[in-house]
This record gives sequence, structure tokens and C-alpha cells, in this order.
Amino acid sequence: AQSVAQPEDQVNVAEGNPLTVKCTYSVSGNPYLFWYVQYPNRGLQFLLKYITGDNLVKGSYGFEAEFNKSQTSFHLKKPSALVSDSALYFCAVRKAKTNAGKSTFGDGTTLTVKP
Amino acid sequence: KAGVTQTPRYLIKTRGQQVTLSCSPISGHRSVSWYQQTPGQGLQFLFEYFSETQRNKGNFPGRFSGRQFSNSRSEMNVSTLELGDSALYLCASSLGWTSGDYNEQFFGPGTRLTVL
Repeated sequence: AQSVAQPEDQVNVAEGNPLTVKCTYSVSGNPYLFWYVQYPNRGLQFLLKYITGDNLVKGSYGFEAEFNKSQTSFHLKKPSALVSDSALYFCAVRKAKTNAGKSTFGDGTTLTVKP
Repeated sequence: KAGVTQTPRYLIKTRGQQVTLSCSPISGHRSVSWYQQTPGQGLQFLFEYFSETQRNKGNFPGRFSGRQFSNSRSEMNVSTLELGDSALYLCASSLGWTSGDYNEQFFGPGTRLTVL
């Protein structure tokens, strides 16, 4: 069975500081990894994905994530946080070459960026 | 392109009633998945449809059912509503491939269901 862990329910950072939202996964075989963001009363929005290739993936709004196979991690990062980045972030994984419905989502991490 | 649309956005029902939620995917997307989101349980997968066939199913009771039409629009139905069914129901679409879909999902705004 596959799983995703987002070990921090809440991450607080000051505006302008770098931010990291952690994600570790477990899946048999190669993974497809995704990050989504959810703003209040909205659906999830896609940020970035790792399918294959470069371990460092760049996505929307200045976010990036690094795929680390040995540590089975896919942490989300941003060099300089904005107050508008405050939202709920979800990491998702599925085994390569499986359909979207096979995705497993983490429990989410609430990011709060303070001015 | 228009995004994923879900109707209605808000719904209030009483225990024992049934409800039907609708989802229109992005044009060209053939895969539609449904999720239940609650504060305590997070994002729980309900089912996925592709080309009018249910491809995957989560661990929900038979009261939860769905279908997909030839234009890829999807509906989910919950019968005999219980208080615990109160949640945000999210629909997501993706391009979908029979050999495995590496594409991301696009989510609708959700339907907020309240069961009294």
C-alpha cells in the first residue's frame, strides 16, 4: 500500500524568509509526486509535479520541490515567503503509470506567513 | 479553458434524504475523481471514472455511488444521508490515459454538504 506523510500540521514563517513544507512517501516502484495548494473555500490547485528526470522541480508562484529517492522525500520549498502563500498544502503520490484515482494525499500542512 | 465546475456549491439536507452532486470536467478531460474532505479525515478518495466506467473505488459504503456520462460529466449520489456525511465534496478531472495517467488533477471549488 502507498502512503504519504506530512509530519507538520502547521508551519509558521516570517515574510521574506525561506519556507519548507515536508513530505515523505511510500510506494512500490517509481512514484509520481504532486503538490497542491488549497485556499479557504476553494478546491485544490496544482503547484508542481515530479514524474521523471531532474530531481529539482520548479512550479507555480515561485515554489520548487526536490525529489530525494533515498530519503523518499519530496519537500516543497520557496526562497522567500509571501503573506499570500498562507494556505493549506497537500502532497500526493501514486505509483508510476497508474491513474489519478490511485493517488494518495497527505493530511495537509497549514502554512502561515506572518508580515 | 473553463475550469472544473461543480453544482450546487452549497447544500443543506436532513438525515435520511438523498443528494446528487454534479461535476463538469475541463473540456477534453476524460477522467473524473471524487473526494470527500473533512477536518478530521482529510481528503478521502471516493471513486474515479474514465470513459463512463468506474476505474477505482475508495472505502466508502454503498450509499455513495456515481456515474459518468458520455460527455465526461459526472454525478455522485449519496442515499440515506447521515450526519457524518457533512463535508466538502471535491471533484477533480485529468486528461486520463488507459496506460496510466501522469497528469495532474484539476479540482473544482467543491460542494459543501451539510446534513442536519
